[in-house]
Amino acid sequence: KQEVTQIPAALSVPEGENLVLNCSFTDSAIYNLQWFRQDPGKGLTSLLLIQSSQREQTSGRLNASLDKSSGRSTLYIAASQPGDSATYLCAVISSGSARQLTFGSGTQLTVLP
Amino acid sequence: KAGVTQTPRYLIKTRGQQVTLSCSPISGHRSVSWYQQTPGQGLQFLFEYFSETQRNKGNFPGRFSGRQFSNSRSEMNVSTLELGDSALYLCASSLGPGAETQYFGPGTRLLVL
Repeated sequence: KQEVTQIPAALSVPEGENLVLNCSFTDSAIYNLQWFRQDPGKGLTSLLLIQSSQREQTSGRLNASLDKSSGRSTLYIAASQPGDSATYLCAVISSGSARQLTFGSGTQLTVLP
Repeated sequence: KAGVTQTPRYLIKTRGQQVTLSCSPISGHRSVSWYQQTPGQGLQFLFEYFSETQRNKGNFPGRFSGRQFSNSRSEMNVSTLELGDSALYLCASSLGPGAETQYFGPGTRLLVL
């Protein structure tokens, strides 16, 4: 059974810092990995999707990497801003799971002005 | 293009009642998935529909059911509500089966008293 872990559970950084969020998964047989952002009481916003054949994806100040063999992904946020404050979730679709997303418990990020 | 819409946004019910939640996917999307989010269990997969057929079901009791209509809109129903059913229910849509990005709606927050 696929399990996804995110460390740390919470992170607080001053504005302008570069930061890395970590995600690990137990079964390397995945179709893809997706990073989401969730603001309090809201739905999920898709940030980046990395296919299993890819190593990284970039969007603006965000860069996500995937090392399938070691079961790890990182989300790098450059030059953090207070508006980046949210909970960041990673989720994987395992091979053969018919598109079921398995989520980590998230990292709650606070960027201090 | 309009995003995923969910109605109602908030619901208060009492134990033993039943509830129906609705999800309208992004235009052109034919796959709809449902997730339950609680503070204790995080995000858990409920079920997935494509072309009016349930393709996958998570580990939830039979009180949780769903369906999809020919226009891809989906409903989920919870019968005989329990206090533990209080949660944010999220719907996600995508173009179809496969490993593409899933787009989430704002959710329906259900409170069971």
